[in-house]
Amino acid sequence: AQSVAQPEDQVNVAEGNPLTVKCTYSVSGNPYLFWYVQYPNRGLQFLLKYITGDNLVKGSYGFEAEFNKSQTSFHLKKPSALVSDSALYFCAVRDEDTGGFKTIFGAGTRLFVKA
Amino acid sequence: KAGVTQTPRYLIKTRGQQVTLSCSPISGHRSVSWYQQTPGQGLQFLFEYFSETQRNKGNFPGRFSGRQFSNSRSEMNVSTLELGDSALYLCASSPSVIGEQYFGPGTRLTVT
Repeated sequence: AQSVAQPEDQVNVAEGNPLTVKCTYSVSGNPYLFWYVQYPNRGLQFLLKYITGDNLVKGSYGFEAEFNKSQTSFHLKKPSALVSDSALYFCAVRDEDTGGFKTIFGAGTRLFVKA
Repeated sequence: KAGVTQTPRYLIKTRGQQVTLSCSPISGHRSVSWYQQTPGQGLQFLFEYFSETQRNKGNFPGRFSGRQFSNSRSEMNVSTLELGDSALYLCASSPSVIGEQYFGPGTRLTVT
């Protein structure tokens, strides 16, 4: 069965510093991996995805993520954090089981960027 | 293109009642998924539809059901509401089976 783990409930980083939000996954087939962000009082927004190809994928708002097959990880990164990046981040994996495709979300990591 | 829309945005119901939530996907998207979001359980997959067929279902009781119409609009129904059904219900549409999902603002259901 597929699963997604976000080991940190919260990540604190100072503005201008690099940030990393961790995600590990388990799937039975090829991993289709996603990051979403949820700002306060706003809906979930798609950030980036890995389907196939380059292990480093770039997404919206300067975010990128590195797919590591051997470590089954898909960590979200940004070289220089902004206060406006403060939000709830979800890693998700899309996999096919006996019932068909479904998307499983991690528990979420709250990012606080301090000015 | 217009985004995913969900109606109503807020609902207050009492235990034992039933409720129907509606979702209109982005034009051209045939895949629609539903999720329940609560502070304790996070985002839980409810079901997914593609071209009017339920493709997968999460681990929810039979009180939770849904359907998709020929225009890709989707509804979900919860019968015999329980207090624990209070949650934000999110609908998402996708342009393909393995593509990213675009979420609506959600329907906040409160069961009293």
